Amino acid sequence: AQSVTQLGSHVSVSEGALVLLRCNYSSSVPPYLFWYVQYPNQGLQLLLKYTSAATLVKGINGFEAEFKKSETSFHLTKPSAHMSDAAEYFCAVSDRSQGNLIFGKGTKLSVKP
Amino acid sequence: GAGVSQSPSNKVTEKGKDVELRCDPISGHTALYWYRQSLGQGLEFLIYFQGNSAPDKSGLPSDRFSAERTGGSVSTLTIQRTQQEDSAVYLCASSSTASGSYNEQFFGPGTRLTVL
Repeated sequence: AQSVTQLGSHVSVSEGALVLLRCNYSSSVPPYLFWYVQYPNQGLQLLLKYTSAATLVKGINGFEAEFKKSETSFHLTKPSAHMSDAAEYFCAVSDRSQGNLIFGKGTKLSVKP
Repeated sequence: GAGVSQSPSNKVTEKGKDVELRCDPISGHTALYWYRQSLGQGLEFLIYFQGNSAPDKSGLPSDRFSAERTGGSVSTLTIQRTQQEDSAVYLCASSSTASGSYNEQFFGPGTRLTVL
């Protein structure tokens, strides 16, 4: 069975600092991996996805994530946080090209001025 | 183009009443999903429709929950005899099954259901 673990339900960084949000997954087959962002009272917006084409994936708003098979990780990073990055971030996994996603519990990112 | 839309955006109901939530997927997307988001449970899968195939209902929490998809497009999630634990945000998503789509799901803004 697939699962996703996001370490840290709440992460706080200063504006301009590095953002690192952690995601570990379990899957019996090579997975598709996703990061979504959710702003208050809105739906989920796709930040980036891993589909085996490249291990380093670049997404929107300056975010990127690196797939590390040996560590079963897909951590999300951004070199310099902006106030507008404050939101909740969800990591998700799928073991096939169709069907439901399995989500982590989410990490709420706060950005301090 | 238009994204996934959901209605109503907010629904307040009394315990024991039935509610219907609507989802309009992105035009041309053959796959449609319902998820539930609540504080204690995070994001939970409810049901999945793919074309004309029988839906995957494995995530429905009880037989009070049902969903249909008419004409391969619009979907309605129905909750009968609502309970307070049904209070949550109900999210709909759709995806294309075309080659190269990799199960990328596009989400609507959600319906916030409050059961009093």
